[in-house]
Amino acid sequence: GAGVSQSPRYKVAKRGQDVALRCDPISGHVSLFWYQQALGQGPEFLTYFQNEAQLDKSGLPSDRFFAERPEGSVSTLKIQRTQQEDSAVYLCASSPYRLAGGVSKKTQYFGPGTRLLVL
Amino acid sequence: GQQLNQSPQSMFIQEGEDVSMNCTSSSIFNTWLWYKQDPGEGPVLLIALYKAGELTSNGRLTAQFGITRKDSFLNISASIPSDVGIYFCAGNTNAGKSTFGDGTTLTVKP
Repeated sequence: GAGVSQSPRYKVAKRGQDVALRCDPISGHVSLFWYQQALGQGPEFLTYFQNEAQLDKSGLPSDRFFAERPEGSVSTLKIQRTQQEDSAVYLCASSPYRLAGGVSKKTQYFGPGTRLLVL
Repeated sequence: GQQLNQSPQSMFIQEGEDVSMNCTSSSIFNTWLWYKQDPGEGPVLLIALYKAGELTSNGRLTAQFGITRKDSFLNISASIPSDVGIYFCAGNTNAGKSTFGDGTTLTVKP
């Protein structure tokens, strides 16, 4: 079946521009995660949704970053007034399971990412 | 925050050789995960480890969850060219959030 898809795959933005990155999770998946992956590093957690509820946004680096999942399926990560340090790959992952205490056995399925370059 | 130290940073090996990489942390995790990431793609899960001391295999891959719950290793036996890529370890807490290492880049020479 279809996996996690992300669009656009590549985005070039001028500094100060707003961008919106889209994630289409696997159909029916409850949990959705956003990660930021800088060049040469591992993914870093940004935020987590359970259905439409944003339960954890502790990883968002500043108030310029905003994520939403209004109907509990597609999610959008918006970055306002982009800066050069925002250049990275933004990965989305989904899981059919809710996160809860002790429920850490459940794997996440990653999309291919959106590569953002801010000039 | 929690940090994972993954080593080595890169490896260059001949086809057919065995590979070993590891991850250590100052924090305890209750799940360890090993992923492979190909260029332009997201990470793909290779092996998940759920109990301290657990040893799990997936084909030519073997991984272990350290007894202290602060470390894990991944071995690849008889490497082949398609093993090329970046391997990431990740630790999960009870809350389920994953903390990733910075990866081991593997190059396999035919």
